[in-house]
Amino acid sequence: DVKVTQSSRYLVKRTGEKVFLECVQDMDHENMFWYRQDPGLGLRLIYFSYDVKMKEKGDIPEGYSVSREKKERFSLILESASTNQTSMYLCASSFTHASNQPQHFGDGTRLSIL
Amino acid sequence: GQQLNQSPQSMFIQEGEDVSMNCTSSSIFNTWLWYKQDPGEGPVLLIALYKAGELTSNGRLTAQFGITRKDSFLNISASIPSDVGIYFCAGLSNTGKLIFGQGTTLQVKP
Repeated sequence: DVKVTQSSRYLVKRTGEKVFLECVQDMDHENMFWYRQDPGLGLRLIYFSYDVKMKEKGDIPEGYSVSREKKERFSLILESASTNQTSMYLCASSFTHASNQPQHFGDGTRLSIL
Repeated sequence: GQQLNQSPQSMFIQEGEDVSMNCTSSSIFNTWLWYKQDPGEGPVLLIALYKAGELTSNGRLTAQFGITRKDSFLNISASIPSDVGIYFCAGLSNTGKLIFGQGTTLQVKP
């Protein structure tokens, strides 16, 4: 079974802090993704990566950056956290660039910015 | 960004009833996926559909990939309380990005 592990289930940070959300997958997947999920807005793609050291902006990248130094790890960084970044953050991975590979999700990190 | 039209938005049914939900899109997809999300958890893949017209079952769940490649439906037969959750359809683009429906919230009354 695919295992996507997010480092924290719940996180509380303060406005202005630099926040790191970590995601690790154990299936040698090439693709990794970060989403945020908000009521009424569904899942929105923040950033994704097709390979080590490679990143692409998703639909809502503003206020975020990412890092992929190793294939199995994809980090989401909130450079200076703001209250409107309070949300559920979901990491996902898939095997290859090919269009028929489903994404598998972690359990999510519920982040609160005070 | 682009979204799929998923309906109904919510359902409240009696245990034992069958459930049906569907997704439509203005774009063609080569792969349709159905996920379930329990409260406080991440989405879990239920069924993946790879060919137009394909009908696939997973236990009490059955999903079909529409002939036009612009729609899909999910049926749940004989619902049970643990079927409660949010069901998402998703179309997989040729870049590997997922386009999600808005979700169908299912509640089952014992």
